[in-house]
Amino acid sequence: DGGITQSPKYLFRKEGQNVTLSCEQNLNHDAMYWYRQDPGQGLRLIYYSQIVNDFQKGDIAEGYSVSREKKESFPLTVTSAQKNPTAFDLCASSTTRTGDQPQHFGDGTRLSIL
Amino acid sequence: GQSLEQPSEVTAVEGAIVQINCTYQTSGFYGLSWYQQHDGGAPTFLSYNALDGLEETGRFSSFLSRSDSYGYLLLQELQMKDSASYFCAVPYSGGGADGLTFGKGTHLIIQP
Repeated sequence: DGGITQSPKYLFRKEGQNVTLSCEQNLNHDAMYWYRQDPGQGLRLIYYSQIVNDFQKGDIAEGYSVSREKKESFPLTVTSAQKNPTAFDLCASSTTRTGDQPQHFGDGTRLSIL
Repeated sequence: GQSLEQPSEVTAVEGAIVQINCTYQTSGFYGLSWYQQHDGGAPTFLSYNALDGLEETGRFSSFLSRSDSYGYLLLQELQMKDSASYFCAVPYSGGGADGLTFGKGTHLIIQP
């Protein structure tokens, strides 16, 4: 079955530590996205990528970095500059058709600072 | 910038009909989407409206009025499994695949 796989499901990091969240899709989608969801809030865009080797910042890119070396993979690195104590980070993908194509989400990674 | 407003919480009775409203402000309009998210789960796509009017998909319908910058999600024959958060969303910065801007979500509580 096609879908998006995120790992790990839970991750604890120490202050000052960088960690990388994995996101893999086998839907053959060109576009991939990272969102963060804080408790009781909507999703906010961290980074997005429409094609391999290209990506753009979203609203809350500070403290994060990404790479897009392969079409199926879009890992997110959370750096020590990211001070949010807890977050639910969600990866998504879609085709690049305008608007009407839905985004498919992974099950998310819950990240906490020890 | 873009913003979307929706009620934080709505309560309804099993078997009834409920409407979740969404108003938006965007620099350009390319369509309004709706997503459902159960507690602890991933959002799943429900519907998309680019043109004015009502789109029906089973028990769920979505309406759009571009002149009023307003849309709603209508859920009929409510079931307990419909208890979830519902988010309206618009394209982040244009019509391409550049992500979505979401509202803060409406938590739907269904009582037996």
